[in-house]
Amino acid sequence: QSALTQPASVSGSPGQSITISCTGTSSDVGSYNLVSWYQQHPGKAPKLMIYEVSKRPSGVSDRFSGSKSGNTASLTISGLQAEDEADYYCCSYAGSSTVLFGGGTKLTVL
Amino acid sequence: ELQLVESGGGLVQPGGSLRLSCAASGFTFSSFAMTWVRQAPGKGLEWVSGISGSGGSTYYADSVKGRFSISRDNSKNTLYLQMNSLRAEDTAVYYCANFNSEVVAATVDYWGQGTLVTVSS
Repeated sequence: QSALTQPASVSGSPGQSITISCTGTSSDVGSYNLVSWYQQHPGKAPKLMIYEVSKRPSGVSDRFSGSKSGNTASLTISGLQAEDEADYYCCSYAGSSTVLFGGGTKLTVL
Repeated sequence: ELQLVESGGGLVQPGGSLRLSCAASGFTFSSFAMTWVRQAPGKGLEWVSGISGSGGSTYYADSVKGRFSISRDNSKNTLYLQMNSLRAEDTAVYYCANFNSEVVAATVDYWGQGTLVTVSS
């Protein structure tokens, strides 16, 4: 049960686009379309931003999008805004009713 | 409005026990699998345990298997986590969350605000 691999940090300027990767294995990310992404501001609970690889919950901005290729999932945020600065975590179903999270990526809006 | 409110956290000595509770409201509790996820201070999220909507199936991360026990009382809309043989490395904020399905093979959806567990002598 090793954590999914994410970059520790990414940054971008307002208005730009950034992409955060999430690399797993053929036993988790590569096997299931149950990849989700969470946004967490300091001291707050995580919030679901993307589920089932590319679906957006009601109320989440369409600036957030998700995709997957093989064992790697990606979260793209376009038109960066100051309020997007937060930690982002990917998550994947890993079979046998277990769940894996990524190590988290700190997004800095310059 | 969907709400998940955790309670029961606190300071406990190594080797001790603690039971966390999560009171749910605003949705049909028994129709959704539930989970506990923890976050050590300054660290990332770690899945701890999950339980089906009926409560008939339970699942655990290797790090807590044999020490933690998840359960639910659908008549009280409450989720529990019994934590025994606690270690310093169990120190974390524990979040209660629901899956968007009756089974654990789904998406972790809405999260509570968390309750802090500190294991220290």
